[in-house]
Amino acid sequence: NAGVTQTPKFQVLKTGQSMTLQCAQDMNHEYMSWYRQDPGMGLRLIHYSVGAGITDQGEVPNGYNVSRSTTEDFPLRLLSAAPSQTSVYFCATGLEASQNYGYTFGSGTRLTVV
Amino acid sequence: AQSVTQPDIHITVSEGASLELRCNYSYGATPYLFWYVQSPGQGLQLLLKYFSGDTLVQGIKGFEAEFKRSQSSFNLRKPSVHWSDAAEYFCAVGDTGNQFYFGTGTSLTVIP
Repeated sequence: NAGVTQTPKFQVLKTGQSMTLQCAQDMNHEYMSWYRQDPGMGLRLIHYSVGAGITDQGEVPNGYNVSRSTTEDFPLRLLSAAPSQTSVYFCATGLEASQNYGYTFGSGTRLTVV
Repeated sequence: AQSVTQPDIHITVSEGASLELRCNYSYGATPYLFWYVQSPGQGLQLLLKYFSGDTLVQGIKGFEAEFKRSQSSFNLRKPSVHWSDAAEYFCAVGDTGNQFYFGTGTSLTVIP
């Protein structure tokens, strides 16, 4: 049972490049979400999904796209990377959005945009 | 809008000493409250949560937290800190919706 798997663990991008951060879970969780963590800012919600085919914006969605074609996967796309997107990105999943059972976090992707 | 404040950016305690990490929230109704811990290079792990009922909740690793509505607080406590407790701690608040808000975190250093 792998839980929540994020790939890659580290990535360096040049400004303007695109990339996709992967998040996969094998816990049959309906809820999946992406957070970014910045020093002094805590974790901020980027996008979330309450089930396959359903996505919605969080607190800081600009510059990011998501899709949820399967229950297991929730990729985060950066279409044109900017230095302001340098951050640590976490995928969090749960049986449901309300955290009745807590969220499970991946180990993070550290992204640097130069 | 909901918000969470963790007033202490960094705390240092001696091993064996007691610990209290502060968390204040802003929310109109009774919130869902959480404490998470993050070890270096790792994701967040849920320590405990409060939804309703008994205002003193027990969590994993010997942690507890007390919900005080009058003070809009949900402070995390541990009677005796171990060196392995050194980590970053996050308080979070949410409701029955789909969004949760995290505090900026408190970094805990434990000295021998």
